[in-house]
Amino acid sequence: NAGVMQNPRHLVRRRGQEARLRCSPMKGHSHVYWYRQLPEEGLKFMVYLQKENIIDESGMPKERFSAEFPKEGPSILRIQQVVRGDSAAYFCASSPGLAEDTQYFGPGTRLTVL
Amino acid sequence: AQKITQTQPGMFVQEKEAVTLDCTYDTSDPSYGLFWYKQPSSGEMIFLIYQGSYDQQNATEGRYSLNFQKARKSANLVISASQLGDSAMYFCAMREGQGYSSASKIIFGSGTRLSIRP
Repeated sequence: NAGVMQNPRHLVRRRGQEARLRCSPMKGHSHVYWYRQLPEEGLKFMVYLQKENIIDESGMPKERFSAEFPKEGPSILRIQQVVRGDSAAYFCASSPGLAEDTQYFGPGTRLTVL
Repeated sequence: AQKITQTQPGMFVQEKEAVTLDCTYDTSDPSYGLFWYKQPSSGEMIFLIYQGSYDQQNATEGRYSLNFQKARKSANLVISASQLGDSAMYFCAMREGQGYSSASKIIFGSGTRLSIRP
């Protein structure tokens, strides 16, 4: 029973390039969450999505960041024109969307911006 | 606004001893859930234990138990008989609301780095 899958595990980009992070939720889970962890800090919520819908994007930076969860395929977190401050670990979590559900996390994608 | 506070940035404990990691929270929502996650040096986030605000009993999962004191707004994690493999960062977290239509984002504390001495 595969857990939450994220790829790539490590991603290096130069300033100004685009970063695409992918997340496949656990089987049977229809809710996806993205979090960002800066070095030596806790995780910060970014966005919560269901299939084809953004439910809560209150943690997303206003510019350059976008997320989607299409009907088919993984959820994508997209960062355009990356800057050094975007360097962080990006975690995806999924849940079945039932009452009192627990979020299960993927292994994370470590983004380094040179 | 909801907030999670972990006041112990780091702890050292002798192997086989019990350890308590502190967590206090603040929320105005009467319905919420509390979580503990473990993050080893490899970086993944491992779910340990969950406590709902209406649960009458303290949650337990193997060597982990959650000391839930609602009036004090504290949710300390207790690890019994610590092992070397318990060395990791531990995060306390909270979600406001329960139920399908409620907001589901989780707020994390800053973490406690636990080191187990042999």
